[in-house]
Amino acid sequence: RKEVEQDPGPFNVPEGATVAFNCTYSNSASQSFFWYRQDCRKEPKLLMSVYSSGNEDGRFTAQLNRASQYISLLIRDSKLSDSATYLCVVNIGGGGNKLTFGTGTQLKVEL
Amino acid sequence: EPEVTQTPSHQVTQMGQEVILRCVPISNHLYFYWYRQILGQKVEFLVSFYNNEISEKSEIFDDQFSVERPDGSNFTLKIRSTKLEDSAMYFCASSLPGQKFNTQYFGPGTRLTVL
Repeated sequence: RKEVEQDPGPFNVPEGATVAFNCTYSNSASQSFFWYRQDCRKEPKLLMSVYSSGNEDGRFTAQLNRASQYISLLIRDSKLSDSATYLCVVNIGGGGNKLTFGTGTQLKVEL
Repeated sequence: EPEVTQTPSHQVTQMGQEVILRCVPISNHLYFYWYRQILGQKVEFLVSFYNNEISEKSEIFDDQFSVERPDGSNFTLKIRSTKLEDSAMYFCASSLPGQKFNTQYFGPGTRLTVL
């Protein structure tokens, strides 16, 4: 089983749509969770950290289910500028603070 | 807003040559990292560095790789004898322990092409 698994997409949605991405992780000892956004050939940029209780930042909502080892990201009212690859990222802790990335889910928002 | 910077943005080298990739982490950060991303693949962890020593390294980070913090601002990744399969985007990141989630911030990357 992959350490962090995501549906690669692409998800093609019209502007204004709501879209949801899912992610599962294999290590139950994982301690912190993130969604990063990556534009083509650019660096990963932090979109949001994922809190155990779930959290919202504007149009973006992240949820964590530790029992199911499942993380989600919901984007409401999609904009053209949301087109990017969304990376599910997990930190299992330990001294090295290593991040483990999923392969990413590609989103294309269309007119 | 403080940023991680990396130089060069693109490095082309011949197989077998040594390359040094440079990074300037965010100034008050204490943890430093290198990741790489081969074209079309996921981002992979290489190494983390804290308190002037390696704290963790991956299987990719073999004897051909080394890291150094030569002064108070730079953090470098050296590849001693490059191989074709080292061609990738190399990202430097930094974080501040004690900050919630110890969030890592990434630089713009160096694209390494080995011919």
